[in-house]
Parts: sequence; C-alpha cells; structure tokens
Amino acid sequence: EPEVTQTPSHQVTQMGQEVILRCVPISNHLYFYWYRQILGQKVEFLVSFYNNEISEKSEIFDDQFSVERPDGSNFTLKIRSTKLEDSAMYFCASSEEGGWPEAFFGQGTRLTVV
Amino acid sequence: AQSVTQLDSHVSVSEGTPVLLRCNYSSSYSPSLFWYVQHPNKGLQLLLKYTSAATLVKGINGFEAEFKKSETSFHLTKPSAHMSDAAEYFCVVTVTGRRALTFGSGTRLQVQP
Repeated sequence: EPEVTQTPSHQVTQMGQEVILRCVPISNHLYFYWYRQILGQKVEFLVSFYNNEISEKSEIFDDQFSVERPDGSNFTLKIRSTKLEDSAMYFCASSEEGGWPEAFFGQGTRLTVV
Repeated sequence: AQSVTQLDSHVSVSEGTPVLLRCNYSSSYSPSLFWYVQHPNKGLQLLLKYTSAATLVKGINGFEAEFKKSETSFHLTKPSAHMSDAAEYFCVVTVTGRRALTFGSGTRLQVQP
C-alpha cells in the first residue's frame, strides 16, 4: 500500500540553526501539506502546496518557514532559524487533486530544539 | 471559521463492549468531517469521512459515525472494542473549497482485557 514517508524520525537541533524536514509523498498525489503538533496540543495546519506554489498557509507559517519540492519525489519544510517553541512533531501529508481533501499522513518527524 | 470539540480526552472500555467517541463541530459552511486514528509510532490513518452524502458513514475496522446537523455532532462508534483499537482518535473538519484540515484535541481510547 502506498504511504507517505518522512525522514528523519527524530531530529535534535540547536536554537538558531536551520533545519530541513523531508517527506516523500504518495507518487500520484498533487497536493502536499505540513502540519505540526506541539506536545500536549492539537495538530495544526501549516501549509498546503500545489502546482509548485503555496496554495494555503496558516498564521503559524511565517517568514522563518519555507517549503519546496526540489525534485519529482521529495517535499521539504525548512525552518530558517529554529526557536525553542518550534519543538514539535511535524507531519507531512499528501492528497489527490480531485475529490474530497482527505489527506494521507506520514508518521512524523519529532523536532527537538535545544 | 471551523472548529471541532472532542468531548472526552480519555475513554476506557472493556474488550467486546461498545465504543463511543464524541465530537461536536462548528462550521460556517457545509462541512466535511473525518475521523483519523493514530497508533503509537505510526502516522495518522483515515478511519472514515462524511462529505454530504449519506449521514451514516461506515469506515474501516468496524467503525462508523453519524452526521447529525441538528446536534452539530459526528460521534464515532463501534459495536465491540478490540484490543487493537487502543489508539488516539482525532475528529477533523474542513469546508468546501479548503484543503486545510482542522483537528480536534484527540481522544485516547484504552481497551481493557
């Protein structure tokens, strides 16, 4: 069964460092997403990406965040200068172009900023 | 704007007994509603979805949910719990034209032998 894969499963970084989280969406999907879940809080939408551009973003997704699809298979989330409050589980997801927007999620990358 | 409220943070049932996980939603427009499940160290898996067709929706692993517009509810049920159902369950809403999903805070289901 096709699945969304994320690497690494756990990343530790120092405050102020740049970090890139990587995802391989399901191959025939055209919408890509990032969500995050801070420990003890709700899963929150960050951004959706379609046709090589951001189609929707939340207030959380400020200038320190960026997304990219550098090739035909990967989808990345970059955090430019990490803060302690960026520590969270980050989920990548993808969905088909048509139909209802149910998303298929990866198992997440736990980011710890120290 | 839309939101969901999951009324129980923890639910504990005995194996073989019914499961009820409660969810109320708020939406300015016609909502699409989903239930996702997350097992430990796994990604979020779609259990079922409501998209304005039948109000009683059947999902995987014997789960079902009923959309009740008058009560703004979308409760998840299963007639008989299995040990493998122990997980975190999320009620999720979006509206037509949007792709962003809004999650509830989650309900942790424990199944006792």
